[in-house]
Amino acid sequence: GESVGLHLPTLSVQEGDNSIINCAYSNSASDYFIWYKQESGKGPQFIIDIRSNMDKRQGQRVTVLLNKTVKHLSLQIAATQPGDSAVYFCAENSNSGYALNFGKGTSLLVTP
Amino acid sequence: DGGITQSPKYLFRKEGQNVTLSCEQNLNHDAMYWYRQDPGQGLRLIYYSQIVNDFQKGDIAEGYSVSREKKESFPLTVTSAQKNPTAFYLCASSIGRVQPQHFGDGTRLSIL
Repeated sequence: GESVGLHLPTLSVQEGDNSIINCAYSNSASDYFIWYKQESGKGPQFIIDIRSNMDKRQGQRVTVLLNKTVKHLSLQIAATQPGDSAVYFCAENSNSGYALNFGKGTSLLVTP
Repeated sequence: DGGITQSPKYLFRKEGQNVTLSCEQNLNHDAMYWYRQDPGQGLRLIYYSQIVNDFQKGDIAEGYSVSREKKESFPLTVTSAQKNPTAFYLCASSIGRVQPQHFGDGTRLSIL
């Protein structure tokens, strides 16, 4: 069945370094992918999305890469800051196109 | 400011009791969603609504009910049939399909 998973449950990086969070998906029919950041006790916050007709999309300090051949998604955060510490979720659209299927999340810890 | 408001932030349920979680949005979005999040887990879809007076079951709809009488509102009722209701409940909305979902800050439900 459909599944969205993450390679690493936790990631610790030093302030100023670049972070890479990886995600594998299994539904080759998915055409929309999205990354969220969730801080403790709050709802997920939209970071960036990408459609399946693109390989790369850049935002402010963030880049999402999509490799459809191996069904892999990654989020790159440049010059990671303490405020980036949070849990990051990838998600893909379901067959309906409306709901999202979420992975379990990766906890990013930024150390000084 | 436009956004999604969930209330209450914390809610306690007694055995055999139904409780209703409120979700209101002023983003003029057509689609709304309810997700459940358990500790250390991703989000799982309970129900979603594409448009007023229409809603669809998600992966874990048993023990829950919803209504969508107004575009702005999508309340979730956790019924006594839901035997394990303790979780963090998140409401979201989107303009339509294959669009980013924007989340509220959740309601944490516990059992007395």
